[in-house]
Amino acid sequence: DAGITQSPRHKVTETGTPVTLRCHQTENHRYMYWYRQDPGHGLRLIHYSYGVKDTDKGEVSDGYSVSRSKTEDFLLTLESATSSQTSVYFCAISWDISYEQYFGPGTRLTVT
Amino acid sequence: DQQVKQNSPSLSVQEGRISILNCDYTNSMFDYFLWYKKYPAEGPTFLISISSIKDKNEDGRFTVFLNKSAKHLSLHIVPSQPGDSAVYFCAASYSGAGSYQLTFGKGTKLSVIP
Repeated sequence: DAGITQSPRHKVTETGTPVTLRCHQTENHRYMYWYRQDPGHGLRLIHYSYGVKDTDKGEVSDGYSVSRSKTEDFLLTLESATSSQTSVYFCAISWDISYEQYFGPGTRLTVT
Repeated sequence: DQQVKQNSPSLSVQEGRISILNCDYTNSMFDYFLWYKKYPAEGPTFLISISSIKDKNEDGRFTVFLNKSAKHLSLHIVPSQPGDSAVYFCAASYSGAGSYQLTFGKGTKLSVIP
């Protein structure tokens, strides 16, 4: 398995509070991604990074921001959590010029 | 606009028989396709992929078939085993995307009955 960890694994927070999820990799892969998985929607891309300090938006980026200050860490921030952001969040990584992405174990976030 | 479609939310198959999972796509620019398998409470794991220059790719019990004219791909699992019970996601990408973004289908839950 690729060395990807996500923290926390579970979190319950209240509407309006800020939340930061962390993805850490030990593989030195260039690309990192954040997805959310919801029933009936499959996996949807939130943001991705193609290098340190290089990020771009995905399909469902509204309400989320990301940062990547070093190769191994990719942070996803919900500035003001809403109930619609209750979901399971997955981080993924991929090597240069490779389509195969390798996923972390996920973070289950509940916004009450 | 759903570009990758898995029209069967679920599929049940007897152990030892063939499982066939289907996927359709609408974006003719897609040129690389992947299947992922996901168990509950775990992240998806890469299973098998196929480039648009091929029409078949095999890896052990898993074979993916691509029909470009029909914009259709399928995953065959032979023989099916109880451990194959999981949600299977089809994904697609194209080289012009630059960032190798994947577009996923909604998934098909496979149940292999012992």
